[in-house]
Amino acid sequence: EIVLTQSPATLSLSPGESATLSCETSQSFTSGHLAWYQQKPGLAPRLLIYSASSRVAGIPDRFVGSGSGTHFTLTISRLEPEDYAVYYCQQYNESPTTFGPGSRLDMK
Amino acid sequence: QERLQESGPGLVKPSQTLSLTCTVLGDPMDTTGYFWTWIRQHPGKGLEWIGFVDRTGNTAYNPSLKSRVSMTVDTSKNQFSLKLASVTAADTAVYYCVRPQFSGYDITHYGLWGQGTRVTITS
Repeated sequence: EIVLTQSPATLSLSPGESATLSCETSQSFTSGHLAWYQQKPGLAPRLLIYSASSRVAGIPDRFVGSGSGTHFTLTISRLEPEDYAVYYCQQYNESPTTFGPGSRLDMK
Repeated sequence: QERLQESGPGLVKPSQTLSLTCTVLGDPMDTTGYFWTWIRQHPGKGLEWIGFVDRTGNTAYNPSLKSRVSMTVDTSKNQFSLKLASVTAADTAVYYCVRPQFSGYDITHYGLWGQGTRVTITS
């Protein structure tokens, strides 16, 4: 199965700053079948980005997904207080679909 | 707006079978082409795909759990279910029922999640 590695494990930033979260996959795929989720404590994950760069309706354009091959990135610009959460990437290029271990975004 | 709601016991004894049901509150399941999915999250950890069932009862499971997992669908009740046999403490997790963002795709991304139900394996 495809293994996902996320970095950094934890990122501490202040509101207004920009966050760059990385997701590396153990196999390269050109399909772009990668998604990003946001999870806050006690809640289910929320889909933000799919197909590597397509934003779900209602997600602010501060959230930008990019990448291909084995390296994907989620960039969050102008951090707002509600952005502090854990972010997971997910590959659905092949079965079983797998998730990364998550990156925690903390408020500095 | 469609919602998913998990139900089932929060405590299960080791070696027994974990049974959960997800009720789909919204469109009739037999009119849509979604692959109804279960995902779990171990305490403080990441997410693990368990498998899916479609409206006709076709299933696919994670190879790591395949020998112990069974999923069924009851379109008359707009529900789908998960059974996980021979549980151990390693099966303690929050279990989510999940629907893909788009119908017709089996291995895909997930746009609708239940609130999750915490299941603890304990004697």
